[in-house]
Amino acid sequence: QLTQSPSFLSPSVGDRVTITCRASQDIRNFLAWYQQKPGKAPKLLIYSASALQGGVPSRFSGGGSGTEFTLTISSLQPEDVAIYYCQQPFTYPLTFGGGTKVEIK
Amino acid sequence: QVQVVQSGAEVKSPGASVTVSCKASGYTFTDYYLHWIRQAPGQGLEWVGRINPKSGATFYANTFHDRVTVTRDTSLTTVYMELRGLRSDDTAVYYCARNLTPEGLYFLDYWGQGSLVTVSS
Repeated sequence: QLTQSPSFLSPSVGDRVTITCRASQDIRNFLAWYQQKPGKAPKLLIYSASALQGGVPSRFSGGGSGTEFTLTISSLQPEDVAIYYCQQPFTYPLTFGGGTKVEIK
Repeated sequence: QVQVVQSGAEVKSPGASVTVSCKASGYTFTDYYLHWIRQAPGQGLEWVGRINPKSGATFYANTFHDRVTVTRDTSLTTVYMELRGLRSDDTAVYYCARNLTPEGLYFLDYWGQGSLVTVSS
C-alpha cells in the first residue's frame, strides 16, 4: 500500500514542491512517479526511485528508498499543473498512491 | 516510434461483457509485457492485470481475477481485455500500458489514450 501526502498543493510559479510517498513495507528502490494532466493518460517521470525518464525536464527529481520516497519539482512551472501518482512494482498487485493534485496559486 | 492505440468508448448494460483492444507498434511486440490499468471518474489508478505477449501468460489483480481475461494476437500485435459481469462501478477509463523494460521492473512508459467503458441501464 502506498500513501501520498499531501493530497493537494497550491504553490506559486517558481516554488520548490515536494511530494511524499510512503510504502507499507520495504520496497527497496522499486518506485515510480507519474504525472497526469486532465483528460490524458499518465506520463512516466521517474522510475527506480530516482532515474529520470527520457525527455522529462531536469527540474523533476526523485529520491528515497525503503519505505519513504519523494518527488521534487525544483521550480514549479505553469505546465506542471497535474495530479502526481507514485507506483510500486515490487509486489503483486501493482499499486498506485492516491495522488497529489498540484495547482498554481 | 512506439505507439499504443486503444479501441473506442463503449456503453454496456449491467451484467454484460466488454472487450477493449490495444494495438502496439514501433517495437518488437513480444519483448515487452503489456498491462491494463483503470481509472474510475475522478478517482485514482487501479491495476487490472498484465500479459506476457511472448508466452501469453497472464496475471490479474485478485479484485478482477474471476471476471477478466487478457489475451493477445501476435500477428496483429494487439492485446485484448475482456471484462465480464459488468457492474456500475466498472465504469472507468481503461488504459493499456507497456513495460519500461523487456523483463521485470513493471514501470509503465508508453500508455494508450484510454477507452471509456460506461455501464448503465
